[in-house]
Amino acid sequence: AQSVTQPDIHITVSEGASLELRCNYSYGATPYLFWYVQSPGQGLQLLLKYFSGDTLVQGIKGFEAEFKRSQSSFNLRKPSVHWSDAAEYFCAPMDTGRRALTFGSGTRLQVQP
Amino acid sequence: DGGITQSPKYLFRKEGQNVTLSCEQNLNHDAMYWYRQDPGQGLRLIYYSQIVNDFQKGDIAEGYSVSREKKESFPLTVTSAQKNPTAFYLCATMGGSADTQYFGPGTRLTVL
Repeated sequence: AQSVTQPDIHITVSEGASLELRCNYSYGATPYLFWYVQSPGQGLQLLLKYFSGDTLVQGIKGFEAEFKRSQSSFNLRKPSVHWSDAAEYFCAPMDTGRRALTFGSGTRLQVQP
Repeated sequence: DGGITQSPKYLFRKEGQNVTLSCEQNLNHDAMYWYRQDPGQGLRLIYYSQIVNDFQKGDIAEGYSVSREKKESFPLTVTSAQKNPTAFYLCATMGGSADTQYFGPGTRLTVL
């Protein structure tokens, strides 16, 4: 069965520190991969996506993610976190048959001043 | 002003009542989706529609119904058969060759 795991439920970092959010997936083939961010009570905003090609992808707000086929991972990174980055982050592979997303349980990011 | 509109933002329902959540889009996207979000969980797929007049069950369709009579609209009805309907409901669309989903602002449903 297809699945996605975000091992870290809650992460706290200091403002200006680097960030890495983990995502592992289990799919038969390399899926399309997405990261979304959600502020409390809001919809989801697309941060970045990977379809094929260069395994390091750049997104909005200074985020990037690296696809590693051998590890079935698609971790999200940011070199210097800002207080406004506090939110919940979701990794979501796409089931290309249904063209629908499968979501991880999310990682809540807290940023300390 | 292009985008996805969900209304209302907050909805309260008494037990045993059906309620319909609205999702409208003017992005000219063919595909539309409904997801449910519970605290501490990711989003789960309720129903999806790849084209007008066609829709498919997602992973948690029991107690829900949809229609897709117009390209712009994909309303979700939460029926009395849904045993635990209190949740945050998100509508999404996808169009063209982008294979990327865009989300509306959501509707929070509370059963009293």
